[in-house]
Amino acid sequence: NAGVTQTPKFQVLKTGQSMTLQCAQDMNHEYMSWYRQDPGMGLRLIHYSVGAGITDQGEVPNGYNVSRSTTEDFPLRLLSAAPSQTSVYFCASSFGTNQPQHFGDGTRLSIL
Amino acid sequence: GESVGLHLPTLSVQEGDNSIINCAYSNSASDYFIWYKQESGKGPQFIIDIRSNMDKRQGQRVTVLLNKTVKHLSLQIAATQPGDSAVYFCADRQQGGKLIFGQGTELSVKP
Repeated sequence: NAGVTQTPKFQVLKTGQSMTLQCAQDMNHEYMSWYRQDPGMGLRLIHYSVGAGITDQGEVPNGYNVSRSTTEDFPLRLLSAAPSQTSVYFCASSFGTNQPQHFGDGTRLSIL
Repeated sequence: GESVGLHLPTLSVQEGDNSIINCAYSNSASDYFIWYKQESGKGPQFIIDIRSNMDKRQGQRVTVLLNKTVKHLSLQIAATQPGDSAVYFCADRQQGGKLIFGQGTELSVKP
C-alpha cells in the first residue's frame, strides 16, 4: 500500500512549456484534489474530483487542467507554464469529502 | 469571499507546556473541520478532525474545540515536545465538498 504517489518530485520548466504532474493512489479513494503551496503560505485548492469522470474548480484553477478517467489517477496539466506557477504542488485523496485527506510528498516545480 | 484564517502566524512555547493554536472560519455552513501538521519539506499530515455536531474531540495529546457561535476552532497540544515543532493548518469543508485551508501557524518548541 503506497498511499498517494506523486511524480516527478522535482521539475524545472521554461516559460511556455507544458507538462503533466502525476498523482496516483491505491486506497480506492473517491475524492482527490490538487493544491499549490507558495513559500510561507497555506495550501490553495486548484482542482478537485469527487469520483471518476467528475472534476470541479477550486480557488486557483486558471492555467491548470485536470481529468479523472480512473479512480486511481488524477493528473494535473500545466498548459503553458508561467513563472507565477512556480510552487510546490500537493495531491491528496480521501474516501469522501468528510474524511481526512492523505497527502503525497509533493512536486517542487520551478518555471524560469 | 469565504475563508479560513488563523489568528497568529507564529507560536513559541517551552517544552512540556501546553500549546493552543487558534483558527477562525467565516463560512457558517461549514460542517467538517480538520487540523494538519506539516514538517519542513513534507506533505501535510492529518492530526485530528471534528464535525459540526460536536464541540470537542480528543486524540492522543491533542484536543480540538469547536465554537460554532463565534466560528472559532482551536487545537490544544498537551505537554508539547520538540517533535511537535511544525506548521499547523486548519481546514474546513465548504460547498461542493472542497476543503479550504487557512494560512497556518508555525509552532516552535524551546527545549
